[in-house]
Amino acid sequence: GNSVTQMEGPVTLSEEAFLTINCTYTATGYPSLFWYVQYPGEGLQLLLKATKADDKGSNKGFEATYRKETTSFHLEKGSVQVSDSAVYFCALSDPIISGNTPLVFGKGTRLSVIA
Amino acid sequence: EPEVTQTPSHQVTQMGQEVILRCVPISNHLYFYWYRQILGQKVEFLVSFYNNEISEKSEIFDDQFSVERPDGSNFTLKIRSTKLEDSAMYFCASKGDQMYNSPLHFGNGTRLTVT
Repeated sequence: GNSVTQMEGPVTLSEEAFLTINCTYTATGYPSLFWYVQYPGEGLQLLLKATKADDKGSNKGFEATYRKETTSFHLEKGSVQVSDSAVYFCALSDPIISGNTPLVFGKGTRLSVIA
Repeated sequence: EPEVTQTPSHQVTQMGQEVILRCVPISNHLYFYWYRQILGQKVEFLVSFYNNEISEKSEIFDDQFSVERPDGSNFTLKIRSTKLEDSAMYFCASKGDQMYNSPLHFGNGTRLTVT
């Protein structure tokens, strides 16, 4: 079946440090890949997405590249800020399952950035 | 920007009681979802709903669960007889089209605590 595996957290970084959160997936078909972010007290918000191999999603300084050969979609940011402290979820949507296919999420990785 | 709203933000109930979690999806959206996240675990799909009927449901969504769109704006999740293991954060989501790579818009969640 479809699944998403993320690196275990929590991740604690100093401001301006480089961030990588690893995400790998298994899927039946050719999925779209997403990163969602959950800030304290809020719901999940779409951060970025990529729909085909070698696509790079980017938003708010975050980037992730769809790597089909390694089935990965690692999230990166060159210089994190305290305001980036949140829980980050990798997710996939596989069209093979159905037209209205639900998202499959990873466990989430909590990021804490300290000043 | 339009939002998905969920009420209440926190619900405490005794085992065996019925609970109804409420959601108001974005007004022009047609596809609705419930997910849940048990503390420290993955965000899990429960059910999707379109055109006044369930499109898909997971193994978690057993006979104790039901969903309803009682009017043009609300989308509810009912748990008939709560169990301790139903304690989780429940997220409602909606999207405007059937495309598998369209993002879901999530509410802030309802934290359900069963004692």
